[in-house]
Amino acid sequence: SQTIHQWPATLVQPVGSPLSLECTVEGTSNPNLYWYRQAAGRGLQLLFYSVGIGQISSEVPQNLSASRPQDRQFILSSKKLLLSDSGFYLCAWSVLVSGAYNSPLHFGNGTRLTVT
Amino acid sequence: GESVGLHLPTLSVQEGDNSIINCAYSNSASDYFIWYKQESGKGPQFIIDIRSNMDKRQGQRVTVLLNKTVKHLSLQIAATQPGDSAVYFCAEKTPGTYKYIFGTGTRLKVLA
Repeated sequence: SQTIHQWPATLVQPVGSPLSLECTVEGTSNPNLYWYRQAAGRGLQLLFYSVGIGQISSEVPQNLSASRPQDRQFILSSKKLLLSDSGFYLCAWSVLVSGAYNSPLHFGNGTRLTVT
Repeated sequence: GESVGLHLPTLSVQEGDNSIINCAYSNSASDYFIWYKQESGKGPQFIIDIRSNMDKRQGQRVTVLLNKTVKHLSLQIAATQPGDSAVYFCAEKTPGTYKYIFGTGTRLKVLA
């Protein structure tokens, strides 16, 4: 069965410090990978998605970047965190089923980031 | 884009009653729809999905209804239980894209 791992679960970082959040998927090949952010009491904002190694699509210009160095690894980074980067960061994956349709998104348990 | 509003709409139902959570989706070209349940501090959990060639799909205690004419999606939960208390999100996907766009969410509170 497929599993998704995100770490760390919680993180407190000072303004101006760098960030690296990691996500790995097991049990599937060539997944589509996603980073979403969720502010308190709000919905899910798509930040980045990737359909293959080294392929990154950015949805919202901001202080963050993403990389996919391996098939099942997705990394969210920042060189200098801002207070507004605080939030709940969620990694997710999907695959093609029946050759044409996408599966649902499957989410990790998220990283709660507080920038102080 | 991102949902707006600091306060999620809330639906309060008595334990044992049926719940209906509604969602208006944005893109008439969307052909795939998903409902998620999110408990506090956790990632969204898949509940049920439906493709645009259907107007109803049933799972265990849940039913999703799709009305493409008015771009409306609903999730019905039968015999609501305390464990159903959570925030529920709908998501849509448009063919030819890889993006899943989420609705604003509804908080379901189950009253004992």
